[in-house]
Amino acid sequence: DAGVIQSPRHEVTEMGQEVTLRCKPISGHDYLFWYRQTMMRGLELLIYFNNNVPIDDSGMPEDRFSAKMPNASFSTLKIQPSEPRDSAVYFCASSPSAGSGYEQYFGPGTRLTVT
Amino acid sequence: AQTVTQSQPEMSVQEAETVTLSCTYDTSENNYYLFWYKQPPSRQMILVIRQEAYKQQNATENRFSVNFQKAAKSFSLKISDSQLGDTAMYFCAFMKHIVNYYGGSQGNLIFGKGTKLSVKP
Repeated sequence: DAGVIQSPRHEVTEMGQEVTLRCKPISGHDYLFWYRQTMMRGLELLIYFNNNVPIDDSGMPEDRFSAKMPNASFSTLKIQPSEPRDSAVYFCASSPSAGSGYEQYFGPGTRLTVT
Repeated sequence: AQTVTQSQPEMSVQEAETVTLSCTYDTSENNYYLFWYKQPPSRQMILVIRQEAYKQQNATENRFSVNFQKAAKSFSLKISDSQLGDTAMYFCAFMKHIVNYYGGSQGNLIFGKGTKLSVKP
């Protein structure tokens, strides 16, 4: 299996621009999580889906952030407009509902820099 | 709300020796899971070991073992025979068992701030 795939791996953009991060979970996994990692706040949940339905979006910072999961094999996290404080590493993780002991499998992350 | 605390920002150990990383957590839940994840310089998050709260026996995975003290809400990681490849950030994480509207039982991970471990030759 290819593991969780995220694109792009690195993104540099200017303040005010729209940014879209993409994630392809492991086939057969019905949970998908978006986490953000910063030096100040560490690793924190943004949103997660179960069977393509958002279950908890309480970590989404504000209306500038939105996430979708149109099907079981694809999810996007969009930031519009982007701000310098959004600079972070964004991880996508997936997990099956049974058989893995609740292990979450992480993608390689997208390093976002907003200038 | 649940919180996870790792009180050691950095630690170092000589190759082949043993090191213990500390983690405490705060929760009112009775049914939950605990994890240690490793993040090497490559940035990839890798599961090291997991523990179900309902199990009294401490989990072990080869050179890695935990000391789970449920009453004290403590979950430390012991690495035996440390290797250079163990150099990484180590994150302790908590997940409560929930049941959502759709029947799913998995929640999100709540992470500590991490301990940076350096293994020296």
